[in-house]
Formats: sequence, structure tokens, C-alpha cells
Amino acid sequence: SAVISQKPSRDICQRGTSLTIQCQVDSQVTMMFWYRQQPGQSLTLIATANQGSEATYESGFVIDKFPISRPNLTFSTLTVSNMSPEDSSIYLCSVDSSVFNEQFFGPGTRLTVL
Amino acid sequence: GQQLNQSPQSMFIQEGEDVSMNCTSSSIFNTWLWYKQDPGEGPVLLIALYKAGELTSNGRLTAQFGITRKDSFLNISASIPSDVGIYFCAGQFEPSGAGSYQLTFGKGTKLSVIP
Repeated sequence: SAVISQKPSRDICQRGTSLTIQCQVDSQVTMMFWYRQQPGQSLTLIATANQGSEATYESGFVIDKFPISRPNLTFSTLTVSNMSPEDSSIYLCSVDSSVFNEQFFGPGTRLTVL
Repeated sequence: GQQLNQSPQSMFIQEGEDVSMNCTSSSIFNTWLWYKQDPGEGPVLLIALYKAGELTSNGRLTAQFGITRKDSFLNISASIPSDVGIYFCAGQFEPSGAGSYQLTFGKGTKLSVIP
């Protein structure tokens, strides 16, 4: 399985600011995904990030609010822009193992917006 | 879009008891995955199911992919305190032509084990 790290592990931010979350994988992967998990809730897919192309966003999520970068096959960033308290969530990146059709998750970034 | 109905929402069991949880869907999935999430951690993959009717075990865990590809169950035998956590089912499909294996998650089953 892939080893995935995320930075920061947690942060407390002020309303109106932006935070960029990093996701690093120990091997090259084709697909990287960003999920949001609101308190006590399940995981919701924000977008799929492919290297060399724009991210594909799910219904309810837009690029201006959640810009994503995917500069290479081992790294991606998600920015949460112009934050409000409603953005307080755990943000998780995952990678798809194209060999096994399985997804592995990073440890998550716990964001609190005041 | 796809929705997964996972039940029960929560369970309180005695240590040593067996546990069963399940997920159903109105849509067909290519793959069913079962994850466990501990507090403050990301989900960890427990079992992956690829074929309709497939029954797979991983230690004390057993999961089956329903014959219609619309449901799955996860059993945990002889529960122990470290089984505590939230268990999620997830269905995976490949949108036509997109080449992306998107996951749809159930709402989770919160398991508490009483020593």
C-alpha cells in the first residue's frame, strides 16, 4: 500500500483567510483525490486531481473555493479559500492504486475556522 | 447519483461478541471496500471485494459482495477493544470514459466494545 502524508495535520484559521494543504505520496500514482469529512459525517469527494490537467470537481464544489494543484505524480495541494466556520472539517487526500483498484487515505488535516 | 445505506448507525457490544454491519445501494458497483477510521486518523482499508458473490476474510473480518452487486456485509468475530472505531463501506465505479475510480461512502457504523 502507498504511504501518504499530509501537512499540516491540523490548523486553526481565521475567517476570510486561506489554507493550503499538502499531500505527499511515497510512490508515483495516477489518481489523487481530495475528500472532506465534516464533524461526525461520512466522506464526501471534493475533486479528482490528475497530473498535467485541471482537477475535476464534484457537484457542490468549485475551483475558486478549492483550487487544486498536481505538479507531479507524487504530490498535490488543496487550498481552502476565503474560509468560513462552515469549512471546519477534516480534509483527506487519497490515492488510487491502479493495480489493485483500491484507494488509500492520508491521515487527514483537521481544520477549524473561527 | 449513487447512495449507500449503511446500518446500523451505531453498535454497543460486549467484548467477545460477533458484529455484523451491512450496506445497500440502488446502484451497481464494480468494487466494494470496507474501511475503519480511528479518531484523528484517515480511513484504513480493511477488505476489498471485486466479484459478485465474493466472500473474503482478513483475520477476524469477513466481508461479502452481494450477488446483485448492490450490497455488502462485514462481520467481525470475537470482538476486542481495539475494534472500536467507525466502519465505512464504500462503493467504487468507473464513470464511462472517465477512467476515474470514484468512491461513494456510506454514513458509517460507530462500534463501541465494552470490556
